[in-house]
Amino acid sequence: SQQGEEDPQALSIQEGENATMNCSYKTSINNLQWYRQNSGRGLVHLILIRSNEREKHSGRLRVTLDTSKKSSSLLITASRAADTASYFCATDAWGDSNYQLIWGAGTKLIIKP
Amino acid sequence: NAGVTQTPKFRVLKTGQSMTLLCAQDMNHEYMYWYRQDPGMGLRLIHYSVGEGTTAKGEVPDGYNVSRLKKQNFLLGLESAAPSQTSVYFCASRLGWDEQFFGPGTRLTVL
Repeated sequence: SQQGEEDPQALSIQEGENATMNCSYKTSINNLQWYRQNSGRGLVHLILIRSNEREKHSGRLRVTLDTSKKSSSLLITASRAADTASYFCATDAWGDSNYQLIWGAGTKLIIKP
Repeated sequence: NAGVTQTPKFRVLKTGQSMTLLCAQDMNHEYMYWYRQDPGMGLRLIHYSVGEGTTAKGEVPDGYNVSRLKKQNFLLGLESAAPSQTSVYFCASRLGWDEQFFGPGTRLTVL
């Protein structure tokens, strides 16, 4: 079942601004991942943060994880038109030997030029 | 290194017809997954496999069957297609506790 929830469902900002989207989950996790999906395409992995990490950076991306609140945030700095996409968080449930990811419903991000 | 490939890319079926979607990966991954994604929605897991010769049901398995006869291939079958199965189907694979690699998707329309 989809236990992850992204917030907001949709976000529209001007190019150059920062975009922040949030993810909440329900179970204890091994790690949390963020993916991007351009319209009509497959998902592309952006970043993985492990349960014992609090913050991770990759280029213009910054991810935080608060396991006490069961939440994560993805910050995209200095947004570009090419960042227009849907963003999904996914979690690995602790102890799941089938390595299934639990997916959120996604945040649709639109960058206006 | 092609990653994860899916065939076909597009397909139109009539209600009651059958078809098989093929997923292939060349990364020697143990774990493979079939998802469906309906418009404006997230991914829902149909079936998955934790290794050659093994399959298991996901969240929405009804109306679908799968087989994993070879480690690199994961087949998804629709025995009697229904309009409710109109969707985009994604295959993914992973090694373990790391990222999933996705195929480009198959857009299926059932009339």
